[in-house]
Amino acid sequence: NAGVTQTPKFQVLKTGQSMTLQCAQDMNHEYMSWYRQDPGMGLRLIHYSVGAGITDQGEVPNGYNVSRSTTEDFPLRLLSAAPSQTSVYFCASSSGGRNYGYTFGSGTRLTVV
Amino acid sequence: GIQVEQSPPDLILQEGANSTLRCNFSDSVNNLQWFHQNPWGQLINLFYIPSGTKQNGRLSATTVATERYSLLYISSSQTTDSGVYFCAVSQTGRRALTFGSGTRLQVQP
Repeated sequence: NAGVTQTPKFQVLKTGQSMTLQCAQDMNHEYMSWYRQDPGMGLRLIHYSVGAGITDQGEVPNGYNVSRSTTEDFPLRLLSAAPSQTSVYFCASSSGGRNYGYTFGSGTRLTVV
Repeated sequence: GIQVEQSPPDLILQEGANSTLRCNFSDSVNNLQWFHQNPWGQLINLFYIPSGTKQNGRLSATTVATERYSLLYISSSQTTDSGVYFCAVSQTGRRALTFGSGTRLQVQP
């Protein structure tokens, strides 16, 4: 049982480049979300999904797109990378059961130069 | 939106000491979780505790929902307890978690 898998673990982009951060879970969780963590801060919600085909914006959605074509996968796309998007990105999933315990991926450290 | 405040922001302990971390939130919640982020950045779910008290080994947590706060107790601290502890909440009808800014704990040998 792999849990939540994020790839890549590290990435350096040039300003203006686009890329996709991958997130996959094998727990059949309906809820998935993307957060970013900046130095000395907590996590801020970028986008989330309550099931396949359903996505919505979080607190800091600008500059990011998401899609949810399957239950397992929830990729995050950076449209045109900016230095302000340098951060650590975490994907998380949770079940729809009474215990909304979250499982986080190991993170992607992104640097935009 | 809901505000989550954690205190203290930083804490340094000697190995074996006990500590209490606090999380205050500004509105009613239906979900409160405590996480530990280890020095390698991994986030580990410690407790799902929207109300009441839970214990897991040397760690325990209490949430008083009516007074909008939660406490995380660490007893007999070990160096492996070092890292950042986050409190996160969500409100009825919303699944998204709102995180506090964390308490950075350093346990010295």
